[in-house]
Amino acid sequence: DAGVIQSPRHEVTEMGQEVTLRCKPISGHDYLFWYRQTMMRGLELLIYFNNNVPIDDSGMPEDRFSAKMPNASFSTLKIQPSEPRDSAVYFCASRRLSYNEQFFGPGTRLTVL
Amino acid sequence: GQQLNQSPQSMFIQEGEDVSMNCTSSSIFNTWLWYKQEPGEGPVLLIALYKAGELTSNGRLTAQFGITRKDSFLNISASIPSDVGIYFCAGLTGANSKLTFGKGITLSVRP
Repeated sequence: DAGVIQSPRHEVTEMGQEVTLRCKPISGHDYLFWYRQTMMRGLELLIYFNNNVPIDDSGMPEDRFSAKMPNASFSTLKIQPSEPRDSAVYFCASRRLSYNEQFFGPGTRLTVL
Repeated sequence: GQQLNQSPQSMFIQEGEDVSMNCTSSSIFNTWLWYKQEPGEGPVLLIALYKAGELTSNGRLTAQFGITRKDSFLNISASIPSDVGIYFCAGLTGANSKLTFGKGITLSVRP
């Protein structure tokens, strides 16, 4: 079975540019989560969706960050404009409604110069 | 807010040794999850625990859900070099779907 798929795996961009990260959750999963991981702050939850609806976006750092889930098999996290402090690894995770186990994708390593 | 405490930050052991990791909190959790993360990869789920006192094994790994519901333990027996990585605990209260993560313990295994 395919796990959570993220693209791109690596992204290098310049400050001020728009960045779009993509995620395909595991088929049949009801929840989708976006996390950011840095050495200083560890794993931080940015936003999560249930049945494509955003439930909690309190972790989104600023208005520069936005996330969408247009259907059950696709989500995007967009940063516009990007800043060097946004450099981190961004993970997507998904889970079923009736199980608490979250499964993570391989992550996107973002570097903003 | 809720916090999960994992310490020490790093552990160094000899191949073949057993190692135990703790995860503690002042809050009660209904689910405990243990993940392992290797360089350049996402966290991989190792063990899930759902009931206080539960003891679950996955190969050489054994984890326990503390009886107070405020802690959990992960034991690795007969360590091998591929056990190297960062081990995270995570807890869920059930009040919402948000996992609380510990900071992780970096495990190094000397051959």
